[in-house]
Formats: sequence, structure tokens, C-alpha cells
Amino acid sequence: GQQVMQIPQYQHVQEGEDFTTYCNSSTTLSNIQWYKQRPGGHPVFLIQLVKSGEVKKQKRLTFQFGEAKKNSSLHITATQTTDVGTYFCAGRRNQGGKLIFGQGTELSVKP
Amino acid sequence: ETGVTQTPRHLVMGMTNKKSLKCEQHLGHNAMYWYKQSAKKPLELMFVYNFKEQTENNSVPSRFSPECPNSSHLFLHLHTLQPEDSALYLCASSQRLERGGGTQYFGPGTRLTVL
Repeated sequence: GQQVMQIPQYQHVQEGEDFTTYCNSSTTLSNIQWYKQRPGGHPVFLIQLVKSGEVKKQKRLTFQFGEAKKNSSLHITATQTTDVGTYFCAGRRNQGGKLIFGQGTELSVKP
Repeated sequence: ETGVTQTPRHLVMGMTNKKSLKCEQHLGHNAMYWYKQSAKKPLELMFVYNFKEQTENNSVPSRFSPECPNSSHLFLHLHTLQPEDSALYLCASSQRLERGGGTQYFGPGTRLTVL
């Protein structure tokens, strides 16, 4: 079945360092979404990417969708303690299809 | 506040108990979902409802029984659960299933512990 893999599983950074999490699918995706879950909280939608090669930015966060629409990345520039949490990618193989979540990357930031 | 509420927030139950989880969305959405989130595992989609009709059941054991009386409310009835069913149960809603499915808005979850 369709799988969405995320790496790394954990990332510990010093405040101010950059952070990147990668998401890879075994099949071509129709679209990919990113969510953030703070410790003790619930997933919160960040962004959706639809087009091949798409790049979107939200302040210090940069999201990319690969040309083949099988991988995606989230990059955070100059991390802050407020960035702490688990970042999930979730992809759909086709329009309206099941949203498959990656296992998430847990980010911790040392002040 | 995402507009999706879940009760109770925490639940401890024995294996012979019967309990229900409740989810309510105030966003006017038509699709609702139940997810299970266990430690160190990806979110597992359990059930999907679209306009009150169940459209997906991902091989969930029959000890979990969903109910969707209307597009705003979703229940998960629990009976004779096992300790391995202990997890965070998340409800989510989206505007529709068609046209890409849309963004899912999650509730705060119910932390379930089965003794």
C-alpha cells in the first residue's frame, strides 16, 4: 500500500540553527499537506502543496514539493523555541483520496 | 481554537466497560474523521464520514463502533477494549471529501487509557 516516510524521526538543534525534515512517498502524490503538533497538543494544518516543484514560504518556514511529486521538505531557518513540536507531512495519491500521514519529525530546540 | 471539540479529554476505562467519545465541529464541514495516534506511530485513519455516510473503515476492530447522526457530530463507541487500544483519539473535519478533500481541522483529542 501507499507509504509516506519521514526523516529524521528526531532532531535536536540549538536555537538559531536551521532545521529540515524530509517526506518521501512510494507513489506519486496529488497533493501534500504539512501539520505541526505541539507537545500535548493536536495537529494543526500549516500548508498544502499541489503543483510539481512548488515552493511556498511562511515567514521562516519554506515548503517544497518535488518535481516528481513524490517528495517534500520543510525547512525552518533560525529556529526558535516556539518551533518545538512534531511536524507531520500527509499526502494523497489522488483527489479526494485518503490522507496518509508520515510518522512525523520531532523537533526540540535548546535555548 | 479550531472549531472542533472533543469530550472527554481524558478517559480511563477497564476492558469490560462501555464508553463513548464525542466530537462536535462548528465549522459547517461535511466530512468527519476518527484517527488513532499511538506513541511513535503515524496517525492511523480509522473512519471517514461524508454527509453522515460512512465512506471508509480501515479494518478497524468491531470493538470500535462509530456513529454520525449529523454532519456536526461524530461519536466513537467503545466496548471490550484491550490495553493496546490506549492512545490519543483525534477527531477531524474538513469541508468536503470531493475536490481534493480539503484541509483537515483537528480536535484536541481524547487521551484513552485501557486498564
